[in-house]
Amino acid sequence: NFVLTQPRSVSGSPGKTVTISCTRSRGSIASNSVQWYQQRPGSAPISVIYDDDRRPSGVPDRFSGSIDTSSNSASLTISGLRTEDEADFYCQSFDATEVVFGGGTKLTVL
Amino acid sequence: EVQLVESGGDSVQPGRSLRLSCTASGFIFHDYAMHWVRQAPGKGLEWVAGVSWASSTMMYADSVKGRFAVSRDNDKNSLYLHMESLRPDDTAFYYCVKGQHDFGDLYFGDWGQGTLVTVSS
Repeated sequence: NFVLTQPRSVSGSPGKTVTISCTRSRGSIASNSVQWYQQRPGSAPISVIYDDDRRPSGVPDRFSGSIDTSSNSASLTISGLRTEDEADFYCQSFDATEVVFGGGTKLTVL
Repeated sequence: EVQLVESGGDSVQPGRSLRLSCTASGFIFHDYAMHWVRQAPGKGLEWVAGVSWASSTMMYADSVKGRFAVSRDNDKNSLYLHMESLRPDDTAFYYCVKGQHDFGDLYFGDWGQGTLVTVSS
């Protein structure tokens, strides 16, 4: 079993860039893909990044994903922040026996 | 357009059973694995169970193993979750979620809007 750890909250001003981290506790972050989901209040989650760094169609290129094996973590970067980006963001990965979500990060756009 | 519509959520007493359903449209249902993910009110996401496109593989979170059973009917484009011995900590919104063709690619595309299960005496 492994855990994905995210910061509880991040914030940024409109037009700025924020990065949300997701650190894997055991096993390599590169061993299975990392996904990111955005969940606005009262709505179901939507996928914004899959397979570490790929964007589903319709997701703006302001959203980007990456992994860093040296820190065993993944990152979601949102540039050109907009007020509508304010939401909870969850990272997710898996291994042969389980699917794991991070605890979620609340993004506030000030 | 992919649509996933859950139903069956209810308020039940601890120890009772409940069956959730999800009706899918807008994609070739029998080509994809399907999953259930839940979210307790005000809390984070928790994967519950998944089933491969041919029902040859089912997988469960440790928290529900032995109590929940996932199944699907490809002829009816439907996914099910049969829940037994329900506990208060099973209280959550339950989302029906579209997976990938290969069950081992355990990540998710489209999500339903969720159905609420409340377990309380």
